[in-house]
This record gives sequence, C-alpha cells and structure tokens, in this order.
Amino acid sequence: DIQMTQSPSSVSASVGDSVTITCRASQGISSWLAWYQHKPGKAPKLLIYSASTLQSGVPSIFSGSGSETDFTLTISSLQPDDVATYYCQQTNTFPWTFGQGTKVEIK
Amino acid sequence: EVHLLESGGGFIQPGGSLKLSCAASGFTFSNYAMSWVRQAPGKGLEWVALTSGSGGSTYYADSVKGRFSISRDNSKNTLSLHMGSLGGEDSAVYYCAKVGGYGLDYYGLDVWGQGTTVTVSS
Repeated sequence: DIQMTQSPSSVSASVGDSVTITCRASQGISSWLAWYQHKPGKAPKLLIYSASTLQSGVPSIFSGSGSETDFTLTISSLQPDDVATYYCQQTNTFPWTFGQGTKVEIK
Repeated sequence: EVHLLESGGGFIQPGGSLKLSCAASGFTFSNYAMSWVRQAPGKGLEWVALTSGSGGSTYYADSVKGRFSISRDNSKNTLSLHMGSLGGEDSAVYYCAKVGGYGLDYYGLDVWGQGTTVTVSS
C-alpha cells in the first residue's frame, strides 16, 4: 500500500500568515493527490484535486503543488474560518490512502 | 443540489453485523463511483471502500477486506455498506462520498454526507 506522510502534524499561525503543509507519498503517484479540509462535526470538504486544481467554490487562498512523491498545500492568508484539520489523499492506486492529518490553529 | 444522507449506524456487539445505507440525490447516481470513508474517535480519515458507477468493480481497504461489502442500487439511488465480524476498531463515524471523475480517472471525493456513527461494544 502507498503510505502518505504529512508534516507538520500541527501548526499554529497568526491571522494573515501563510501556512504550508507537506505530504509525501511512499512511491510515485503522478498528480493523483487530493487535499481536504475537515472541521469537527462537519463533513470533510474537497479543496484541491489533481495536486493543483482548485475545487469549484473553494477560495483562491488555497493552492496546491507537487507531483510524484512530494506535494504541498498552502493557505496564503490564514483566516479564523480556516481552523481545521487538513488531509492529503492519494487516488493513484487502490487501496486509496490518507495522510494522518495536519491540525491548523490560530496563534 | 447534490445531497448524500447516511443511515443505519448504531450500537452493535463485537462479532456482529450491520448495514449502512446512503441515499443520494441531485445528480445522476449511476454515472459516478461512490465510496465510504470512516473516522474513528480521535483518529484521522480512513478510506474504506469504493464501487464503480455500474457496481461492477469494487475496491477495499486491507483492514476491511473480506468483512465488509459495498454495493449499490442504481434504481433507488442508494449506496450500501454491509459490515460483518465487527470489532472495536470498526467504531467510527462512517461517511458516504461521491467520487469525482469518470472511467478510472477518479480524482477525489467531491461530495460528502454528514456521517453515521457506528459503535462496537459489549
């Protein structure tokens, strides 16, 4: 199975700061990488797919990049509403796998 | 509006079986693959299973293979997850999700339900 490793596991930043989360795949997955935002008690929300394509309706403060084994999600200007846990997921090979999550908080 | 509504969660004893359902609306159900994802208490998201639009292809996480079965009824716009030999490690919120993409080019889970909770305990 493909292992997905996210770092950091948590990050605390000020409103307006840029936040970057990395995701590493244990083997190449081309661009078959999605990012999700998950708030407690809510359904997860797709932010980015195909590594860098913004899902419809998602604000442009979110961006993704990378290919094969190394990927990043960037929040360009952190807002209070962005407090959540963020997950990467590979859809290159079954079984699909998620990263362990990165908790984003406001300092 | 695209909408997914899960049902069937509850308390179940270890070793028991349970069936979850997901009612879909707002899109042509048979055109899209569907998936189940779960989140155990205090843990991250775990992908569980996927079925193609026709139901002819299914895929499972190693942790549930041989115990869980995903199926769909395209005439009723309904997705199901039959869970057997349940253990404490299966206690989780189970989410139904629509798969984005066509053919075998699945790019992610673009619509999610609110989830249904399964608790395995004696």
